[in-house]
Amino acid sequence: QVQLVQSGAEVKKPGSSVKVSCKASGGTLDSNAFSWVRQAPGQGLEWMGGIIPLFGKINYAQRFQGRVTITADGSTFISYMEMTNLTSDDTAVYYCARGRPGTEFDPWGQGTLVTVSS
Amino acid sequence: DIQMTQSPSSLSASVGDRVTITCRASQTISNFLIWYQQRPGTAPRLLISGASSLQGGVPSRFSASGSGTDFSLTISSLQPEDFATYYCQQTYSTPLTFGGGTKVEIK
Repeated sequence: QVQLVQSGAEVKKPGSSVKVSCKASGGTLDSNAFSWVRQAPGQGLEWMGGIIPLFGKINYAQRFQGRVTITADGSTFISYMEMTNLTSDDTAVYYCARGRPGTEFDPWGQGTLVTVSS
Repeated sequence: DIQMTQSPSSLSASVGDRVTITCRASQTISNFLIWYQQRPGTAPRLLISGASSLQGGVPSRFSASGSGTDFSLTISSLQPEDFATYYCQQTYSTPLTFGGGTKVEIK
C-alpha cells in the first residue's frame, strides 16, 4: 500500500524560504494527488493546497496563494511544497497526504517540523 | 469558504463511555465529510469517509452519520487508545476546510 515519506525537520530564518518534499512509494501511484496541510503548535489542521500531477491541476488556499508553490513529479511520485518569505507564524508541522477535492486524505506523511526563528 | 464547526471542542470521558462529536457545515456538502483521529505527535489517521463509511482496520465501535450540513461521530464504548483529537473535514469544495477539532480526554 502507498506510503508517504517526507523530508526532515528544518530551521529557517525569517524572510527565507523552505522546500519540503514528500515521496510516495508502494501501491498504485499513477492516480495520486497530493495535498499539503499544516498544523501550528497546539492548533488544528489547515489545508494549504493540492496538486493532481496527472492533470497538472493545482489549487491553493487563498491565504497561501502567491507565497506557496506546490509541485509534483509524476514519474518519481514526489511532491514538493515551497514557502517563501517565512515568518515566525509559519512555525508548524507540515504534512503531505494523498487526497484531493472529493476524496479523503489517506495516507499521510509523517510530518515535517519547520521552525522559523532568528 | 465553507466553515466547519465541531462541538464540543473538548470533552472528558471514562473508558466504556459512549461519546458523540458533532460537526456542522456552513452550507450543504452532501456526504463529502471525512473524520480523522490524531494522537499527540502523530499524523492524522483516516477513520471515516463519505460521512459514514468506516475505513478498513478501524474498530467497529466507531460510527458516523449525517448528510447535508449536520454530521456526527460516535464512539460506542471508549477505549484507552481512543483518547485523541478528532477532526472533521469537508472535501466538497476548495478550500478543503477542517473543523477545529475535539479533544477527547480521560476523566
